[in-house]
Amino acid sequence: DAGVTQSPTHLIKTRGQQVTLRCSPKSGHDTVSWYQQALGQGPQFIFQYYEEEERQRGNFPDRFSGHQFPNYSSELNVNALLLGDSALYLCASSLVGSNYEQFFGPGTRLTVL
Amino acid sequence: KQEVTQIPAALSVPEGENLVLNCSFTDSAIYNLQWFRQDPGKGLTSLLLIQSSQREQTSGRLNASLDKSSGRSTLYIAASQPGDSATYLCAPGGATNKLIFGTGTLLAVQP
Repeated sequence: DAGVTQSPTHLIKTRGQQVTLRCSPKSGHDTVSWYQQALGQGPQFIFQYYEEEERQRGNFPDRFSGHQFPNYSSELNVNALLLGDSALYLCASSLVGSNYEQFFGPGTRLTVL
Repeated sequence: KQEVTQIPAALSVPEGENLVLNCSFTDSAIYNLQWFRQDPGKGLTSLLLIQSSQREQTSGRLNASLDKSSGRSTLYIAASQPGDSATYLCAPGGATNKLIFGTGTLLAVQP
């Protein structure tokens, strides 16, 4: 049973660039949530996708956008990168109608120079 | 707005000790609460999920309790081992399935 996978593992970008991160949910899951974790902090909720729509959003600017595909995989896009966007980006999946237990992927480490 | 506090922020114990990690949250209208483990630079591993109607859950040497009305949860680790060294995060979840995290407890178990 494949768990949550994310790509790439690491990424280095410069200020002003754009980045796309990818996530494949655990087999059988239909909901994907994205979190940002700065060094020494707990993860912060960015947004959640279900049925290819953004269902809820945390306190992040519009530079952060996403997409969910028919196979439930998801992308996180960040435009006009800032130094403060450097963080570990985590994807979590769950299944609507279940106990809502969330399973996390290994994360993508983004460094903005 | 849900806020989560974890105490202590860091803990160092000798191998074999039993220990308790504490989590408190401000909004008791939760759907469930998850405890996670995070190794440095890695993703989160789900340890235990407690539904809001439950009082506790057990998995091996781990036991988590939930007092929803007082906004508290504890994670009990029995007979700690060096392999238990990690950051432990608690996260209450609302009906919308959004998790709110504290900053975690950094645990070091000395051999």
